[in-house]
Amino acid sequence: QVQLQESGPGLVKPSQTLSLTCTVSGGSINSGGYYWTWIRQHPGEGLEWIGYILYSGSTSYNPSLKSRVSISIDTSKKQFSLNLNSVTAADTAVYYCARGSSDPYDYWGQGILVTVSS
Amino acid sequence: DIQMIQFPPSLSASVGDRVSITCRASQPIRIYLNWYQQKPGKAPKLLIYAASSLQSGVPSRFSGSGSGTDFTLTISSLQPEDFASYFCHQSDSSPPTFGGGTKVGIK
Repeated sequence: QVQLQESGPGLVKPSQTLSLTCTVSGGSINSGGYYWTWIRQHPGEGLEWIGYILYSGSTSYNPSLKSRVSISIDTSKKQFSLNLNSVTAADTAVYYCARGSSDPYDYWGQGILVTVSS
Repeated sequence: DIQMIQFPPSLSASVGDRVSITCRASQPIRIYLNWYQQKPGKAPKLLIYAASSLQSGVPSRFSGSGSGTDFTLTISSLQPEDFASYFCHQSDSSPPTFGGGTKVGIK
């Protein structure tokens, strides 16, 4: 059973960089065809796609966040990571990592709440 | 971006009820519509993909229908473990977008 687990600080100061890691267990991160994805959910709102990375390192980002976001992958550690810079209170959200299999996301992490506050 | 309008935002139902949730896309998305269940503090769970295909391990009381712009998730006989939130997701075009969610509560 594939499992994903987010980790990282739950509190980030405004203007700093939000950094999260997703650890994959129970399956390979090297397999082709999977989109290792970050998604977030603002309090009381719907979900927002942040972007994905393939095992090859190719990425795709939401145009609304593209100037501030980067996603990287470390296949040896079975991890992929999210960096979001110049954060503001509007970046306060629950951040999820997920595995995209063709179209749907078939496995998700439990999510991690990140609050941006001084 | 494609907007996904999901309704109702919440509903109350009893065990055994038939429940339907609708998602409407702002432009045609063929059958690239997926449904998920979300419980507090838990990872979202894929229920239906490609509008009507049941994900492995998901009970057959869940079904999906629709194509183009209008889609429906139906729970044929609501069970206690089905009280949760549900949301749709279009994967037809980038960026992927999501409905606002429907919270199914106990009547």
